[in-house]
Amino acid sequence: ILNVEQSPQSLHVQEGDSTNFTCSFPSSNFYALHWYRWETAKSPEALFVMTLNGDEKKKGRISATLNTKEGYSYLYIKGSQPEDSATYLCASPGQGAQKLVFGQGTRLTINP
Amino acid sequence: DAGVTQSPTHLIKTRGQQVTLRCSPISGHKSVSWYQQVLGQGPQFIFQYYEKEERGRGNFPDRFSARQFPNYSSELNVNALLLGDSALYLCASSPRAPPTDTQYFGPGTRLTVL
Repeated sequence: ILNVEQSPQSLHVQEGDSTNFTCSFPSSNFYALHWYRWETAKSPEALFVMTLNGDEKKKGRISATLNTKEGYSYLYIKGSQPEDSATYLCASPGQGAQKLVFGQGTRLTINP
Repeated sequence: DAGVTQSPTHLIKTRGQQVTLRCSPISGHKSVSWYQQVLGQGPQFIFQYYEKEERGRGNFPDRFSARQFPNYSSELNVNALLLGDSALYLCASSPRAPPTDTQYFGPGTRLTVL
C-alpha cells in the first residue's frame, strides 16, 4: 500500500514570512509527484508535476524540489501573502500507476 | 475554455437510496477520475476511466460504480447509501491517463446522507 504523508498538518505563518512543508512517499517504483493548492470553496488547482530526481520547479513565489531516492518533496513559499492561505496537497501514483494517492494535506494560514 | 463541471453541487439523500453524480471533463480530455474527500483527509481515489474503459479502481465497495460515455463525460453511481458515504465527491480530468498528467479538478458534489 502506498502511503503519502505530509507534514505539518497545519501551519500558521505571518504575512511576509517564508515557509516550507514536506511530502513523503515511497521511493520504490516512483512515477511522479504532484502538488495541488486547494482554496476554500474552490477546486484543487495544480501547481506542479515532478518526475525527475533533483528536479526543481517554480511558479511565482512558490517552488518545489524533489528527491526520489529518499522519497520526499519540499514545497516552499517565499514572502507569504494572505492569498496563499489554502490546503496544499501532494499526490503520487499508487500500485500500477493507475491512481493518484493523496496525502492528507498541509493547511496553511497566513496571518496579516 | 470551460473547466471541469460537476452536477449537482449539493445533494441530500437518505440511507438506502441511490445517487448519480455527473462530470463533464475539459474539452479534449479523455481521462476522468473520481475521488471521495472527507473532512481532514486528502481525496481518496475511487475510479479512473480512460477512453471509456475502467483503468483503475480504489478500495471502495461494489455499491460504487461508474461509467464514461462516448463524449468522455462520466457518471458515478452509489447504491444503498450509508451515512459514511457523506463526503465531497471530486471529478478530475486529464488529457491522458495518469501518472504524469496534471489532474484538473471540478468543484465537487457535496453529498449528505441522512
